[in-house]
Formats: sequence, C-alpha cells, structure tokens
Amino acid sequence: GQQVMQIPQYQHVQEGEDFTTYCNSSTTLSNIQWYKQRPGGHPVFLIQLVKSGEVKKQKRLTFQFGEAKKNSSLHITATQTTDVGTYFCADLTTDSWGKLQFGAGTQVVVTP
Amino acid sequence: DTEVTQTPKHLVMGMTNKKSLKCEQHMGHRAMYWYKQKAKKPPELMFVYSYEKLSINESVPSRFSPECPNSSLLNLHLHALQPEDSALYLCASSQVDGKPGQPQHFGDGTRLSIL
Repeated sequence: GQQVMQIPQYQHVQEGEDFTTYCNSSTTLSNIQWYKQRPGGHPVFLIQLVKSGEVKKQKRLTFQFGEAKKNSSLHITATQTTDVGTYFCADLTTDSWGKLQFGAGTQVVVTP
Repeated sequence: DTEVTQTPKHLVMGMTNKKSLKCEQHMGHRAMYWYKQKAKKPPELMFVYSYEKLSINESVPSRFSPECPNSSLLNLHLHALQPEDSALYLCASSQVDGKPGQPQHFGDGTRLSIL
C-alpha cells in the first residue's frame, strides 16, 4: 500500500528556535491528518488538511498541504518545552474507510 | 482528560492466559478502532468497527479477537499471545457522517507485557 515518509526522524531544538517536519509520498494523498503524542501519552489530533495548497495555523503551528497533494509540513515557531513529543502525519487511505496510514513520526526534543 | 477510557492501564500475562482489554466512549461515535504501538514506532491499525460491525481486519492473528457489544464499548480478547505481542494497545473512536477523514480520539492505552 501507499507509504508516507516522514523526516526527520529526530529533531533536537533549542528553546525559542523554529523547526519543520515533513511528510512525503510518491503518490497523491487523499487527506492528511497530524497528531501529537507526548512521551508516555496517546496520539492527539491536531489538524486535517484536505485541499491542495491548504495552509492552516494554530498559534505557533503552521500546517501546509502541497499543491500536488504529495507532501505536507508542520512548522513550529519559537519552540517551547511543551512542544516535546512525537509528531505523526497520517494519510487517510481511500481503499478502506477510516484507515489511517501513519508516518514514522518526528520525535522532538527541546533543550531549555 | 481523555474521552476514551481504556482498562486496564497495564497488563502482564503469560502465554497461556486469556485476558480482555476494554475500551469505552460516550461521545456518540459510531466508529471504533484498535491499534498496536511498539516503542518509538507509529500506531499500527488492527481492527475497525463501524456501527458495531467489523469493517477492517488488518490480517491480525486469530489470537486477537475483537468484539463490539454496543456502540459505546469495544473489547479485545487475548489468548495464547506471544512475547512479540508486548506493546501499547490503543483504542480510538471517531464520528461517522458519510465521509471519511474524521479525527480519531485515542484512549491512554493498555501497556501489555507477555511473559
């Protein structure tokens, strides 16, 4: 089945800096959901992107969906210690209802 | 606080035991999911129930047996598990409104260890 590649696998960030995590696919994505999982916690839904070129913002988080719907990104500005966790992108596959294909995730560590 | 409740939080069992994981939600969601998550890996879908009917089984071994007794409850019955089945088992739920892509709400999970 379609695979969603997510980079980088690990991201060490100094508090106050910005960073970006990327989600790429060789085929067109139907829609993309982003989740955050804190250490020891469970995935929490952040956002869903559906339209080509879509950009959505949540405070310091900016989510983008590529024009060709083959990539997506999450950009965090002025990183805080509360941003620690693993960020997953997930593609909703079109062959089976409700089936999410998760990327490998980007584990974010924030240094004070 | 999570709106999807899973019990137990931790479970240690032998390979010959039978146990069950339970999941409950009262958000009126009609889709419920079981995922398996190994350390430092993404969640892997196991089963999807839609309107209390099994709609997706991701070729999961028969030692895992799901059950959806009603729209609020989801169980996962375990029997003769292997050490490699040790993982975090996550339950999730979502709305069903005729189109896919609804956000999934996850429980805290059951951390399972097989001796």
